[in-house]
Amino acid sequence: GNSVTQMEGPVTLSEEAFLTINCTYTATGYPSLFWYVQYPGEGLQLLLKATKADDKGSNKGFEATYRKETTSFHLEKGSVQVSDSAVYFCALSDPPNDYKLSFGAGTTVTVRA
Amino acid sequence: SAVISQKPSRDICQRGTSLTIQCQVDSQVTMMFWYRQQPGQSLTLIATANQGSEATYESGFVIDKFPISRPNLTFSTLTVSNMSPEDSSIYLCSVEGFSELAADNEQFFGPGTRLTVL
Repeated sequence: GNSVTQMEGPVTLSEEAFLTINCTYTATGYPSLFWYVQYPGEGLQLLLKATKADDKGSNKGFEATYRKETTSFHLEKGSVQVSDSAVYFCALSDPPNDYKLSFGAGTTVTVRA
Repeated sequence: SAVISQKPSRDICQRGTSLTIQCQVDSQVTMMFWYRQQPGQSLTLIATANQGSEATYESGFVIDKFPISRPNLTFSTLTVSNMSPEDSSIYLCSVEGFSELAADNEQFFGPGTRLTVL
């Protein structure tokens, strides 16, 4: 079956530090990969996605590259801000076989000023 | 993206009672899902709400405990039946498959319903 393994947190950083959150996956087909973010007190939002190998998703300074050879989709940001403090979830779906999302455990990131 | 609303946004319920959560979308969507997020945990899919037919439940979830309706392409309900404190969670609906964006394979989530069972 499909599954996602995500780097465990919590992660605490200083402002302007480099952030990376590791995510690897197991899938039977050719999955689509996502990063979702949940800011404190808010709902789940799609941060970025990639639907095929070597695609790079990017948004709000965050990037993740779909690496089929290493079955990974690591999230990176070069210079974090306090406003990036949130819980980040890696997820995959496997269309057209399976549209449901399988989520990683989530990584709590706290950025200090 | 679609606008997704859920009612109620939160509730505190007594053990043994049932609560029905509504999910309303402002446009027709192909697929609707219900997830649960237990305190401090990730999201777990409960079921896929199928329009005009019975929902498809994931392992560990059953219709008697979580009956789901989806009468049309913009609305669904999830009922949490005979609640216990272990059902305290955030329940979220998500949607996918807008008319012109069906190929984008993106799920959008509602704001969630925070349920506390005493």
